[in-house]
Amino acid sequence: ILNVEQSPQSLHVQEGDSTNFTCSFPSSNFYALHWYRWETAKSPEALFVMTLNGDEKKKGRISATLNTKEGYSYLYIKGSQPEDSATYLCAFFPGNNDMRFGAGTRLTVKP
Amino acid sequence: DGGITQSPKYLFRKEGQNVTLSCEQNLNHDAMYWYRQDPGQGLRLIYYSQIVNDFQKGDIAEGYSVSREKKESFPLTVTSAQKNPTAFYLCASSYETSGYEQFFGPGTRLTVL
Repeated sequence: ILNVEQSPQSLHVQEGDSTNFTCSFPSSNFYALHWYRWETAKSPEALFVMTLNGDEKKKGRISATLNTKEGYSYLYIKGSQPEDSATYLCAFFPGNNDMRFGAGTRLTVKP
Repeated sequence: DGGITQSPKYLFRKEGQNVTLSCEQNLNHDAMYWYRQDPGQGLRLIYYSQIVNDFQKGDIAEGYSVSREKKESFPLTVTSAQKNPTAFYLCASSYETSGYEQFFGPGTRLTVL
C-alpha cells in the first residue's frame, strides 16, 4: 500500500509569516513527486514536478525540496499573503502508472 | 483557451439510477484520469486512460465505468452498483501517464438522494 501523508492537516498563519509543510511518501520505487495548489472554487494547479533526490524548486515566494532516500518533501512559503490561502496537495508517482495523492494541507493566511 | 471542462457542476440523482459525468479536454493530451474526493481524504483514482480505446482501473473502480472513444473525451458513468456515490469528482489530463503534470477540470459534485 502506498501511503502519502501530509502534515499538518491545517494551518493558520498571519500575513507576512513564513510557513512550511511536509509530504511523506514511500522511499522505494520513486519516480516523481508533484505539488499542487487548490484554491476554493477553482481547479488544482501544479506548482512543482520533482524527480531527482536533492531537487529544489522555486516559484516566487514558494519553494520545495525533495529527499527521496528518506521519503519526504517540504513546501515552503515565504512571507505568506492572503492569496496563498489554499489546500496544498502532494502526489507520489512510483513509476508503474500508479499514483497517490495526500489528503492535503489547508493553509489560511489572515490579513 | 486550452483546458479541461466538466459538466455539470452539480448533479443530483435518485438512488438506483446510473449517471454519466462528462470530461472534455482540448490540450491534445494522451492520458486522462478520474478522481473522487471525500471529506478529509486525498484524491482517489477511479480510472485512467493512457490512450484512446484503452483504460485501466484505479483503486476504487467498483461501481464505475468509463469509455475513451475519442482523445478529447473521457466520460465516467456512476452505476447503481456504486454503494456510496455522493462525492466530488475531478477529471484530469496529462501529456502521458509517467509522472507528467496533471491539469484538472473544475469538478462535478454528485449527490444521490
